[in-house]
Amino acid sequence: EVQLVQSGAEVKKPGESLKISCKGSAYSFTNSWIGWVRQMPEKGLEWMGVIYPDDSDTRYSPSFQGQVTISADKSISTAYLQWSSLKASDTAMYYCVRQDGSAWFSDYWGQGTLVTVSS
Amino acid sequence: EIVLTQSPGTLSLSPGERATLSCRASQSVSGSQLAWYQQTPGQAPRLLIYGTSSRATGIPNRFSGSASGTDFTLTISRLEPEDFAVYYCQQYGSSPRGLTFGGGTKVEIK
Repeated sequence: EVQLVQSGAEVKKPGESLKISCKGSAYSFTNSWIGWVRQMPEKGLEWMGVIYPDDSDTRYSPSFQGQVTISADKSISTAYLQWSSLKASDTAMYYCVRQDGSAWFSDYWGQGTLVTVSS
Repeated sequence: EIVLTQSPGTLSLSPGERATLSCRASQSVSGSQLAWYQQTPGQAPRLLIYGTSSRATGIPNRFSGSASGTDFTLTISRLEPEDFAVYYCQQYGSSPRGLTFGGGTKVEIK
């Protein structure tokens, strides 16, 4: 069974850095696009970007370009989402998703990582 | 960027009733590339429908999707207790940079 297992909840202060992870299993991690989706408290879903682990080809939504960095380590089937300087407005649940091999919809979702940024 | 507008914001229905959810796109959606996701409280979303009308693996046939031009519809023929949730549409076109979600419709128990 395809699984995406994300790292645990984080509580950080404004200005701190953070890297959260998403480990895929039971499918070809290297050859499947992995994306990230943000959900702010009591709000809807926002698409952030995707990465192709085999060659680290990365595509960002214009809203998130320059705000976050998506990376992957194919040797351990893990994708990452990182911030260099967190803001309170980064407080949200972050989901990693696997993109279907034929199109850009998300067929599997991780359980989510809650990031809280507060002074 | 294609903007997706979902309506109504909230739908109050009883178990056994039919639910009709709307998702209107601001422009043509390439190749009918629209998906629907369901999110129950405290859970991650899950894929219901892709390609406008194809059910994802394991999704019951009471869920169906259709389209007319830039208007997309998710229909739940008879609501089961587990169907009370928030539903999001997403257009996924040909480029991952332009993926967008609608604002969601909450289906609540009347």
